[in-house]
Amino acid sequence: DIQMTQSPSSLSASVGDRVTITCRASQGIGKDLGWYQQKPGKAPNRLIYATYSLQSGVPSRFSGSGSGTEFTLTVNSLQPEDFATYYCLQYNSYPLSFGQGTKLEIK
Amino acid sequence: EVQLLESGGGLVQPGGSLRLSCTASRFTFAGQAMSWVRQAPGKGLEWVSVISVSGSVTDYADSVKGRFTISRDTSKNTLYLQMDSLRVEDTAIYYCAKGAASTGGFDSWGQGTLVTVSS
Repeated sequence: DIQMTQSPSSLSASVGDRVTITCRASQGIGKDLGWYQQKPGKAPNRLIYATYSLQSGVPSRFSGSGSGTEFTLTVNSLQPEDFATYYCLQYNSYPLSFGQGTKLEIK
Repeated sequence: EVQLLESGGGLVQPGGSLRLSCTASRFTFAGQAMSWVRQAPGKGLEWVSVISVSGSVTDYADSVKGRFTISRDTSKNTLYLQMDSLRVEDTAIYYCAKGAASTGGFDSWGQGTLVTVSS
């Protein structure tokens, strides 16, 4: 099974900042990685798939990069609505696995 | 816009059973692999199960294998999760999700249904 290690587990930032979240896979997954945003009491929402493809309707301040075992989600110029919890998901092989999550809080 | 509406959650005693349903609309359900994902209170996301377009191929997380059964009824545009031998640790919000590994993950989610396993 593939384990996903996400860091940091929490992050404090201000509106307008740039932040980066990292996910490491326990083995190579090519580019089979997505990023999800979840706000309290709501279902997750896909931001990025296939490492860097932006989901329709998602602002361009979100971007993804990486390949193999190391991946990053970058959010440029943080907006108030971006404060949420973020998860990575590997879908290279079953069982699918999520990272532990990164809670992005307002400084 | 895709709609996924889960139902069937509730309170059940350990060892009991529940069947979750997810009614899909505004997309071609018959042509889409579907999944269940759960989230224990205050915890992260855990993939639970997947079913192929035809329904002939399924897979499960080890934590539920042998106890949960995923199925689908294309005539009703509905996805199911039969949960037997429930344990306290199965307590979670269960989300129906459109997609699977073959489709790059989950592009739409339902609002979730809460399952509480407690005596």
